Amino acid sequence: DTAVSQTPKYLVTQMGNDKSIKCEQNLGHDTMYWYKQDSKKFLKIMFSYNNKELIINETVPNRFSPKSPDKAHLNLHINSLELGDSAVYFCASSPTSGNTIYFGEGSWLTVV
Amino acid sequence: AQSVSQHNHHVILSEAASLELGCNYSYGGTVNLFWYVQYPGQHLQLLLKYFSGDPLVKGIKGFEAEFIKSKFSFNLRKPSVQWSDTAEYFCAVRTDSWGKFQFGAGTQVVVTP
Repeated sequence: DTAVSQTPKYLVTQMGNDKSIKCEQNLGHDTMYWYKQDSKKFLKIMFSYNNKELIINETVPNRFSPKSPDKAHLNLHINSLELGDSAVYFCASSPTSGNTIYFGEGSWLTVV
Repeated sequence: AQSVSQHNHHVILSEAASLELGCNYSYGGTVNLFWYVQYPGQHLQLLLKYFSGDPLVKGIKGFEAEFIKSKFSFNLRKPSVQWSDTAEYFCAVRTDSWGKFQFGAGTQVVVTP
């Protein structure tokens, strides 16, 4: 069973559209994250939730809105997509102790 | 400011050569240190981690890393690389005050046959 799963894996969409990426973890972790990896492989944290509460919100445009319906799920909704949003988005989770972070397989978003 | 620095962006070496990747961080307190690997087209996977104790940590696939507190460093090593070690390698640091995993910019390693 996949520990951290995210869907879709690939997403090609036009500028201006709204899209969502879903993430679920079955590890029983309390903390979940969204990271963005750009074309240069730089990995930047976007958001972090602990027990459904937002605890980290890096400088991310308001067009990005995370939602955590429960501690096992953290979805990412993106409004009015722009070309610069093209990247790989990784969901991840960790226990509250933070002793390790586990990543999903990534969602490749291409905005055309 | 909190930061994690990886010294090399790209490393090219031949099979059987030894590999050492540098990682430095800026934080004076207690840290948890990690190395992750990302094979082409895949997600990040944990290679090894250090929390406390023996500063020489052994991970999977023959990798090891040494924590040197005085140098704020956590360098990754492998004595003899294989073609299958071609990947992107990320150093990561977590502290209680940061409350997050901070990743370095990554080092792309290419092993030629």
